[in-house]
Amino acid sequence: AQSVTQLDSQVPVFEEAPVELRCNYSSSVSVYLFWYVQYPNQGLQLLLKYLSGSTLVKGINGFEAEFNKSQTSFHLRKPSVHISDTAEYFCAVSDLWSGAGSYQLTFGKGTKLSVIP
Amino acid sequence: DVKVTQSSRYLVKRTGEKVFLECVQDMDHENMFWYRQDPGLGLRLIYFSYDVKMKEKGDIPEGYSVSREKKERFSLILESASTNQTSMYLCATLMQGPHYGYTFGSGTRLTVV
Repeated sequence: AQSVTQLDSQVPVFEEAPVELRCNYSSSVSVYLFWYVQYPNQGLQLLLKYLSGSTLVKGINGFEAEFNKSQTSFHLRKPSVHISDTAEYFCAVSDLWSGAGSYQLTFGKGTKLSVIP
Repeated sequence: DVKVTQSSRYLVKRTGEKVFLECVQDMDHENMFWYRQDPGLGLRLIYFSYDVKMKEKGDIPEGYSVSREKKERFSLILESASTNQTSMYLCATLMQGPHYGYTFGSGTRLTVV
């Protein structure tokens, strides 16, 4: 079974400062990795995903994430945050097991990013 | 773009009622999922389906059942609603292949009183 750990439940950061939201996963098979964002009272929006290829993945709104297989991590970064980035961020992993009933997407518990003016 | 439609945005039900949450997709995807989202717990998988009439339990299936009679529709059933099932419920589908990815509905906020 796979699992996802988001190491920080809340991250306060000043506007225009850089931010890193940490995510570690465990799985016995190869995985695909995702970051989603949820703004207050809204649904889930895909920020970026890693399927294969370059381990540095660029997403929407200036976010990027780096897949590190040896450390089983997929940390999300932004060099300069804005007030509008205040939201909850979820890391998720989908295993590549091809048996029946596979392709489950497992989520971390989320990190609330608060951008302080 | 894939569209995943959940029939109700907000729902209020009484304890003991049988509740149906409906999810419809428009892209003929095989895999569909039901999650519940609670503060501090993230999204947890309740049930999923990989074909018509095929279903698998997720991490928290107790108190729930599902139905998939047609490919485009995946229903979550609360046989006898309880207050601890008050939550946000999210449906999702999976597109496999080179553009592998999940599409989520906008969610149903269920309150059981």
